[in-house]
Amino acid sequence: EAGVTQFPSHSVIEKGQTVTLRCDPISGHDNLYWYRRVMGKEIKFLLHFVKESKQDESGMPNNRFLAERTGGTYSTLKVQPAELEDSGVYFCASSQAAVYYNEQFFGPGTRLTVL
Amino acid sequence: AQKITQTQPGMFVQEKEAVTLDCTYDTSDQSYGLFWYKQPSSGEMIFLIYQGSYDEQNATEGRYSLNFQKARKSANLVISASQLGDSAMYFCAMRVEQFYFGTGTSLTVIP
Repeated sequence: EAGVTQFPSHSVIEKGQTVTLRCDPISGHDNLYWYRRVMGKEIKFLLHFVKESKQDESGMPNNRFLAERTGGTYSTLKVQPAELEDSGVYFCASSQAAVYYNEQFFGPGTRLTVL
Repeated sequence: AQKITQTQPGMFVQEKEAVTLDCTYDTSDQSYGLFWYKQPSSGEMIFLIYQGSYDEQNATEGRYSLNFQKARKSANLVISASQLGDSAMYFCAMRVEQFYFGTGTSLTVIP
């Protein structure tokens, strides 16, 4: 069974440009999460989808970030326009259920560098 | 507030020795899960071990064990018989609904 995949693995863009990150969860997982790790800091929650609906987007830093999950399958996270502080590793994770004892399976992450 | 604290930014251990990575957590929820993930230099997050808040026995998975002390709100990871391949970043996490992560501990195994 394929795990969570993310594309691209690396992205280097200039300040002001737009970048779109993609996540394909494990097939059948209704719950999809986005996280971000800024260098040297903890991994922080961005948002949670249940199928195509945003269950919790309390971690989204500002309105330059837009996440979608059309059809409840893959998800995209767009940053427009990108700022220097957006640099970091963006992780996607999926799980069958959103309960405390359910493991989340993480993708390999997308390393975003904004110059 | 939900919080995970890992106070050891870096740790060294001799190959074949045991090492303990510290993790404390804070939550007012009664139901929560505690997880440890390993992140090697390749970047992926690898699930290691899980402990539920109602589990009375410490979790074990091969060379990994979780020393769960609920009253102290600690969930330390013990790696026995360290191997060179254990060198990686280790994250402690707590799940209530979403995950909350610590800042991680970088473990280096010395030959």
